[in-house]
Amino acid sequence: DVVMTQSPLSLPVTLGQPASISCRSSQSLVAGDGITHLTWFQQRPGQSPRRLIFRVSIRDSGVPDRFSGSGSGSDFTLKISRVEAEDVGVYYCMQGTHLPPWTFGQGTKVEIK
Amino acid sequence: DVQLVESGGGLVHPGGSLRLSCAASGFTFNNYIMHWVRQVPGKGLVWVSHISGEGTSTGYADSVRSRFTISRDNAKNTLYLQMNSLRDEDTAVYYCARDTVGVGIDYWGQGALVAVSS
Repeated sequence: DVVMTQSPLSLPVTLGQPASISCRSSQSLVAGDGITHLTWFQQRPGQSPRRLIFRVSIRDSGVPDRFSGSGSGSDFTLKISRVEAEDVGVYYCMQGTHLPPWTFGQGTKVEIK
Repeated sequence: DVQLVESGGGLVHPGGSLRLSCAASGFTFNNYIMHWVRQVPGKGLVWVSHISGEGTSTGYADSVRSRFTISRDNAKNTLYLQMNSLRDEDTAVYYCARDTVGVGIDYWGQGALVAVSS
């Protein structure tokens, strides 16, 4: 199974400042078709997960452009350019290349300092 | 709008059974792979099972294989998870989630809490 490792696990951020979350996979997530199935989800307190980004860097409709995803192979990053209060929550990366199982990172808790 | 609504959660004794349902609307149900993902309160997301659009292919996490059965009724736009031989460690919120081929899991339900306790 592919192991997804996120860091940090806790990220206190000042409002208006940037934030960055790392996600590393135990093997390359490039599929045979050349697509990298790396997804980022946001889970606000008391809510279900919501997809933010798929295929490493494609933002979902309605996701603010302060969120961006990057990376390749087995090393990925989610960045928030300027953290807002509504960004508080836990962020998960997930791989959908080597299946089953679909595997998630441990989650990174973003909170306001 | 895509909607996924889980039901059937509750309190059950160890060794007992429970069936979760997920009612889908707002999309052509049989065109999509569906998943169950669980989350122990305060912990991370763990994939449980998936089923193909026609229901002909399924997969399970090692921790639930042979105890849980995923199924779907495309005529009723409903996904199911039959959970048998439940253990304390199966206590979690269970989410159903939709998967679009090529882009992965995109929509999630609100979750159903399953509590296994004596």
